[in-house]
Amino acid sequence: GQSLEQPSEVTAVEGAIVQINCTYQTSGFYGLSWYQQHDGGAPTFLSYNGLDGLEETGRFSSFLSRSDSYGYLLLQELQMKDSASYFCAVSNNQGGKLIFGQGTELSVKP
Amino acid sequence: DTEVTQTPKHLVMGMTNKKSLKCEQHMGHRAMYWYKQKAKKPPELMFVYSYEKLSINESVPSRFSPECPNSSLLNLHLHALQPEDSALYLCASSQDLISGSYEQYFGPGTRLTVT
Repeated sequence: GQSLEQPSEVTAVEGAIVQINCTYQTSGFYGLSWYQQHDGGAPTFLSYNGLDGLEETGRFSSFLSRSDSYGYLLLQELQMKDSASYFCAVSNNQGGKLIFGQGTELSVKP
Repeated sequence: DTEVTQTPKHLVMGMTNKKSLKCEQHMGHRAMYWYKQKAKKPPELMFVYSYEKLSINESVPSRFSPECPNSSLLNLHLHALQPEDSALYLCASSQDLISGSYEQYFGPGTRLTVT
């Protein structure tokens, strides 16, 4: 089977750095993606790791360790607009199939 | 155009009704998806189409019937739904199945209420 674990809630202040962890179990692992979803909005793609290491896209970075079945999303210089749910999602060798974690609700306080 | 559009935005239907949800993309993507999302839960994959052919059916009840009339359109036909089917139904697309393994473009969803 497949399972993902991520914290249900994280709170941080504006300007801070926050890390959202994701551990997974899946057969035929292909890669780990991150999506952001604002309340009432559509999920939007943030980042993808297919290989070990860090991927940086502006204020957001994502990390993967395949040997530890672990990844994280790092958000820097937090802004109020970053308050949203963040989902990690794994893909395996069944093309096009994304399995989402339960989501982490990030609240950014002034 | 990097948008996936869905109609209607909201739908209320009785358990004996038949209705359809529509999804459209003009990005030239060849893979399209239907997801169901309950409040405070992740999107759950229902169906995957690749080059207008059904590629994945996640054991979805037959009261949900997908259709892909052409490469830009995806429909979800609904019949004899149950109140527990009330949810946000999201459509997504990707260039192909390979890129869909990491980057999918989601529409805003149809919020369905079954009474």
